[in-house]
Amino acid sequence: SAVISQKPSRDICQRGTSLTIQCQVDSQVTMMFWYRQQPGQSLTLIATANQGSEATYESGFVIDKFPISRPNLTFSTLTVSNMSPEDSSIYLCSVGEQFFGPGTRLTVL
Amino acid sequence: KQEVTQIPAALSVPEGENLVLNCSFTDSAIYNLQWFRQDPGKGLTSLLLIQSSQREQTSGRLNASLDKSSGRSTLYIAASQPGDSATYLCAVRTQRDSKLTFGKGITLSVRP
Repeated sequence: SAVISQKPSRDICQRGTSLTIQCQVDSQVTMMFWYRQQPGQSLTLIATANQGSEATYESGFVIDKFPISRPNLTFSTLTVSNMSPEDSSIYLCSVGEQFFGPGTRLTVL
Repeated sequence: KQEVTQIPAALSVPEGENLVLNCSFTDSAIYNLQWFRQDPGKGLTSLLLIQSSQREQTSGRLNASLDKSSGRSTLYIAASQPGDSATYLCAVRTQRDSKLTFGKGITLSVRP
């Protein structure tokens, strides 16, 4: 099993700004996953982050909008850039796509 | 493209009732199916994982079944309790692309 923490747990941001979400795992893992859950929608994979290489983005998601860092085997960040109200979602990181962090609830005004 | 459907979107039952949550998927070529529980502010908790070769899995009051050929899974909750109130998500991993596809979930409310 893995214990995953995320910061911040929630935030309210203004349109056009950026927010960086942190994800910390209590053990070393090769792959970390970032998901988005828009209101009333299912979880959607944004990208897969491997340590030491660039993240792999799913269709519809681009690095300029959602840059990801993976500096070591226990930590990753996801930045939501130039935010608009459509980015209001819960963002979750995952290990093994079986263990999930508590999520970051983002509201963009 | 795999599609996962969970109907109804919400369900309210009195405490003590046995209930069944349904999940259907369009592509039956799957590796496995998972049921998750989502609580506000606590993320997702994996409840049961059924491999494609299995028919069911049990954990305490929970029993999940898988009928791969018909593209259906059910999560049976026995003797429901108010603490079971949460959103239950079904997710399948498809063989074609190894992707995990989630349903929108069923929000369960168990009334005392």
